[in-house]
Parts: sequence; C-alpha cells; structure tokens
Amino acid sequence: KAGVTQTPRYLIKTRGQQVTLSCSPISGHRSVSWYQQTPGQGLQFLFEYFSETQRNKGNFPGRFSGRQFSNSRSEMNVSTLELGDSALYLCASSLGGDSVGYTFGSGTRLTVV
Amino acid sequence: AQSVTQLDSQVPVFEEAPVELRCNYSSSVSVYLFWYVQYPNQGLQLLLKYLSGSTLVKGINGFEAEFNKSQTSFHLRKPSVHISDTAEYFCAVSDSGAGSYQLTFGKGTKLSVIP
Repeated sequence: KAGVTQTPRYLIKTRGQQVTLSCSPISGHRSVSWYQQTPGQGLQFLFEYFSETQRNKGNFPGRFSGRQFSNSRSEMNVSTLELGDSALYLCASSLGGDSVGYTFGSGTRLTVV
Repeated sequence: AQSVTQLDSQVPVFEEAPVELRCNYSSSVSVYLFWYVQYPNQGLQLLLKYLSGSTLVKGINGFEAEFNKSQTSFHLRKPSVHISDTAEYFCAVSDSGAGSYQLTFGKGTKLSVIP
C-alpha cells in the first residue's frame, strides 16, 4: 500500500511569505504528526493531529499552524517566513489509538531566501 | 519532560565488523523506545521499537537493540555491517501513557561503513 506522501518535495520561498505543506497519510491512519529537522536543532516536534483534533503541540511560535481534514490528510502552514525556517519538514502517520509507531514521509525541503 | 542522548555523533566502522550505537534517555514516566534510520535526502525509516516485554528487540536489516531500564539505555547493535548501512541513526522516546505518542529524538549518529 502507498506510504506517507508529502508534497511538494522541494520549495523555495522568500522571507516574509507564507507556505503550506501537505501530507497524505497511509490509508486508514488517523494520526498525523509533523516534525522539523535542521542541522542545528535536529528533529523537533511541531504538532500532532488525531481525527481532525490537535492533540499536542511543540514549542514553536504561532506562525506555525496545522490542520487535519476528515480524510486524515493534513496541512501545515508557516506564515511570515524567516531564514531560520529553512528545514526539512517531515510528516508521520499512525493508526492512532493503541497502535504505537509512526511511518514517516520523505519530507518537504523548504528553503527560505 | 524527556530527553535522549546519543553518545557518538559519528561512528566509522569497517565493513563486516560489528557496531554498537549508544543511546541513553531520561524520563520520569514509562517510555516507548525507537530507533530510526535516515538515508540521504529521505525520511525516517523505523528499524525497531520497544514497547514492553522482552528487553532484546530485533528489527529490520539485522539490527537489534537491548532495553536496560536500570541504565536507561537502548543501544543499537549489528554483528556485521554492510556498506549499505551507511546512514544516520536516530534514537527516540515517547511517553507510554500519554495517549499521544510525540517522539523526542536524539541528535543522531552518523554511521560510516568503510570498505
């Protein structure tokens, strides 16, 4: 079956713009999480959604937001982009409930110039 | 709060030699433990996970890890590495009781297999 699909794979934006990243989870998975990966800070948790509800949020400014749709697809949005937002953004999906363990997508590489 | 320390940022090893990648964690609650591998320009692939039961966990590609609760460690081992094992490896922990399995990652260990 298809894995976690993230689009686009690469993105270049200008400082001050906003960006929306998309994640389609594995069919049947209801939980979606987002992580930011940078060389300096490593992998950091952004937020998690389960059945369209945000269950948990990491320590990121309000410029970072997300949502989940009824078909479990998720989007994350970053407004007023800063150079430091350049990173690999990874989405991961899970069945949720008592199922433990996430399957990650290949990520979206965002470069802010 | 939880934290993960991967003690080695880089580990060079010769092909067919054994390797151990070290991971220690800190948590005030019971945890689940994971090892992920990341190849260049790709996402994370789950190697293995410890949820409960036997402390020796076997994963994909010949990797295994041992959970040691007293030493709060979860070291990853492989008896004989291959060139294709060259990648970055991440240890991660999550709270087993929270109902939300947010992962806290270590900084990663880059494994370089030398032919």
